[in-house]
Amino acid sequence: QLQLQESGSGLVKPSQTLSLTCAVSGGSISSGGYSWSWIRQPPGKGLEWIGYIYHSGSTYYNPSLKSRVTISVDRSKNQFSLKLSSVTAADTAVYYCARGGDGLDYWGQGTLVTVSS
Amino acid sequence: QTVVTQEPSLTVSPGGTVTLTCASSTGAVTSGYYPNWFQQKPGQAPRALIYSTSNKHSWTPARFSGSLLGGKAALTLSGVQPEDEAEYYCLLYYGGARVFGGGTKLTVL
Repeated sequence: QLQLQESGSGLVKPSQTLSLTCAVSGGSISSGGYSWSWIRQPPGKGLEWIGYIYHSGSTYYNPSLKSRVTISVDRSKNQFSLKLSSVTAADTAVYYCARGGDGLDYWGQGTLVTVSS
Repeated sequence: QTVVTQEPSLTVSPGGTVTLTCASSTGAVTSGYYPNWFQQKPGQAPRALIYSTSNKHSWTPARFSGSLLGGKAALTLSGVQPEDEAEYYCLLYYGGARVFGGGTKLTVL
């Protein structure tokens, strides 16, 4: 059974960079045919797609976030990461990682990131 | 900016049938948008229900079905159970981009 687990700093200061990691277990992140996504959900609001990376390393980002987002893969650790720069309070959200296989089929439990000084 | 629209809220009686829809600001939703549907209960991560319009995951209850209806993607729940009360989100593919709908809060009453 594939499992994903987010980790990272739960509190980030305004203007700094948010960094999260998604550890994948029960399967290899290098397996072909899958993408690895980040999605976020501000408190009390809906889901917002952030972007994804293919096993090949190619990426696709939400145009509204593209200038601030970087998604990367560390195959040696079987994990992928999200960096979001120049954060503001509007970036406060629960951040989820998910696998793109048959749709977004497997999700992590999510981690809350608060942007505050 | 592409907008995906869902009903904000719907109410259904236990044992009843309800259809949730998902519309695109770009026009009719087709299979090429690979509609996905997710269920989210309070405090939990979203759970995938349907992919590519009508395909179910191995864990998707049989009472959930996906289709295209009148230019929209649709999720139909037949024989609704109390545990189906949740927020439901659709997701559409626009080439490489993905856009979520705003969600439908389904109340079972």
